[in-house]
Amino acid sequence: GAVVSQHPSRVICKSGTSVKIECRSLDFQATTMFWYRQFPKQSLMLMATSNEGSKATYEQGVEKDKFLINHASLTLSTLTVTSAHPEDSSFYICSARGQLADTQYFGPGTRLTVL
Amino acid sequence: GQQLNQSPQSMFIQEGEDVSMNCTSSSIFNTWLWYKQDPGEGPVLLIALYKAGELTSNGRLTAQFGITRKDSFLNISASIPSDVGIYFCAGQGSQGAQKLVFGQGTRLTINP
Repeated sequence: GAVVSQHPSRVICKSGTSVKIECRSLDFQATTMFWYRQFPKQSLMLMATSNEGSKATYEQGVEKDKFLINHASLTLSTLTVTSAHPEDSSFYICSARGQLADTQYFGPGTRLTVL
Repeated sequence: GQQLNQSPQSMFIQEGEDVSMNCTSSSIFNTWLWYKQDPGEGPVLLIALYKAGELTSNGRLTAQFGITRKDSFLNISASIPSDVGIYFCAGQGSQGAQKLVFGQGTRLTINP
């Protein structure tokens, strides 16, 4: 299957700082990338959908000024959590979808802990 | 909005037993996907279903896309310890509707 990587896998930061998470499709071109967050023992919650070269579409209730998404190339999307607070602590997972694929392939996730 | 009802929420079985879980929806989906998630990892795609009535196998895993397009099941035969994890179903409406709708997950625990 297609390979998607995320970096970093784990990050701890102080409240008020910004954190950038990268998502890369390693062996295919991802026209669309998705960002999810997952709280313990819960399902994945879609935050936003990003298409290469255009602005991300955010789900209802997700602050676009707080969660900045950039999809600058067909293999890279970034999520920046700005002015992070402890309630932003979560497991953030990206997924990527190619031009022809009808499925999404997920990255390994990034565990964010805000102190 | 669209929702998927996945059941059971958790299963505790003996090694070697067969497992069955399913998802139902009030809406029609054109694609059904089954993922497995291990602790601290992202979901891994197990089986993708694209046609109503389709029955697809991947090793000991078998999944079917319901005829009504509103349900799907996943079976695991002869379970082994590495099958432990959380299984998620996901539905996609149409090719233009890129978003996936996820079920709540089924947590599988296996007693050796």
